[in-house]
Amino acid sequence: QQQVKQSPQSLIVQKGGISIINCAYENTAFDYFPWYQQFPGKGPALLIAIRPDVSEKKEGRFTISFNKSAKQFSLHIMDSQPGDSATYFCAASITQGGKLIFGQGTELSVKP
Amino acid sequence: KAGVTQTPRYLIKTRGQQVTLSCSPISGHRSVSWYQQTPGQGLQFLFEYFSETQRNKGNFPGRFSGRQFSNSRSEMNVSTLELGDSALYLCASSFRTDLNSPLHFGNGTRLTVT
Repeated sequence: QQQVKQSPQSLIVQKGGISIINCAYENTAFDYFPWYQQFPGKGPALLIAIRPDVSEKKEGRFTISFNKSAKQFSLHIMDSQPGDSATYFCAASITQGGKLIFGQGTELSVKP
Repeated sequence: KAGVTQTPRYLIKTRGQQVTLSCSPISGHRSVSWYQQTPGQGLQFLFEYFSETQRNKGNFPGRFSGRQFSNSRSEMNVSTLELGDSALYLCASSFRTDLNSPLHFGNGTRLTVT
């Protein structure tokens, strides 16, 4: 019940295309859903986060869509660029806790 | 503002030894969390400290321990190292432990156990 399942494991997108990464969870107590971006040799960096009281949040080219009834959320990267090539992790946590449950990660490659 | 600093960046240890990793959080941050990252298991939560008290602990054996000092700096210790402990150990800090304080990760310590 503590798992967060992320798909796909890897993704290749052409420059200018839309990258879509999906995550699903079981624990309905989760109420904070961040996405992290990690480049080789670096630690994960917070990209964007959402709470279940909103269905969508957009920051620049990055959008989180959240479906509370389906217990799913996804990251959309519009106009994908080669510089977006990285590993993306979804995560979930319960309010007041510092413990993040991470998905397995998606390795995104944006081809020029 | 300096980010989360982890030292050392790389460590090579022998099975059975113990190791101590260090983390300096962002100035003003009082919460420090540790995560283990491996290709097979991904990112897994180890423990979290706030104001020198352990607030949360993951499902790791007692060989993994940590502590936080009064200046918020944190250390984690792994005793009796096993080959499976080879991983990237990440430290993350936040101002406090609520949703308004996102986690900021360091670049990790790469531990190799031979």
